Amino acid sequence: LAKTTQPISMDSYEGQEVNITCSHNNIATNDYITWYQQFPSQGPRFIIQGYKTKVTNEVASLFIPADRKSSTLSLPRVSLSDTAVYYCLVGDMVGSNSGYALNFGKGTSLLVTP
Amino acid sequence: DTEVTQTPKHLVMGMTNKKSLKCEQHMGHRAMYWYKQKAKKPPELMFVYSYEKLSINESVPSRFSPECPNSSLLNLHLHALQPEDSALYLCASSQVSEEPYEQYFGPGTRLTVT
Repeated sequence: LAKTTQPISMDSYEGQEVNITCSHNNIATNDYITWYQQFPSQGPRFIIQGYKTKVTNEVASLFIPADRKSSTLSLPRVSLSDTAVYYCLVGDMVGSNSGYALNFGKGTSLLVTP
Repeated sequence: DTEVTQTPKHLVMGMTNKKSLKCEQHMGHRAMYWYKQKAKKPPELMFVYSYEKLSINESVPSRFSPECPNSSLLNLHLHALQPEDSALYLCASSQVSEEPYEQYFGPGTRLTVT
């Protein structure tokens, strides 16, 4: 599984856009890039997933450059409730008929303040 | 219904006890997972079940015994645990191989071994 590197922590004020960059230099051809959010004492929650270029949903955007060696999660106009840990994961999701393992890295702890 | 339920929410057990954690989903997912999460650490994969068969065991000690009695239920049987096994145990489910490759997590069981 590809190793990911992301900042340990980030701070932001309410209403700002937050960009969290993840480095994954040894990403493989079949690997997808996925981001999860986790609040304290809760299970992680899927945010967004992409393979290449840009993906946007109602919560976030994911920017992936052509070489796919990094990706950036963009959270528009964050609020206090966006304070959480954000995990970047890279892996081959297709695989066989055996499900797919999620290999969580250390994550980025985002603190949003008024 | 996009919910994964886990019972109990909290569990305190002695090192000689036998207990079980239960996980249930009704999303028709045929892959189910157990993760362990220590405080301030990322989740770590323990087991993966695909079509009710164990497909991945991440070298977990035998004092943890998973069971998948049907496509909606996943159990984790605990016996002779150690204090260092105290953690949040997370269950997740997903489609086996279908985009988006998203795992749905339950809220977890907070286990304390005394």
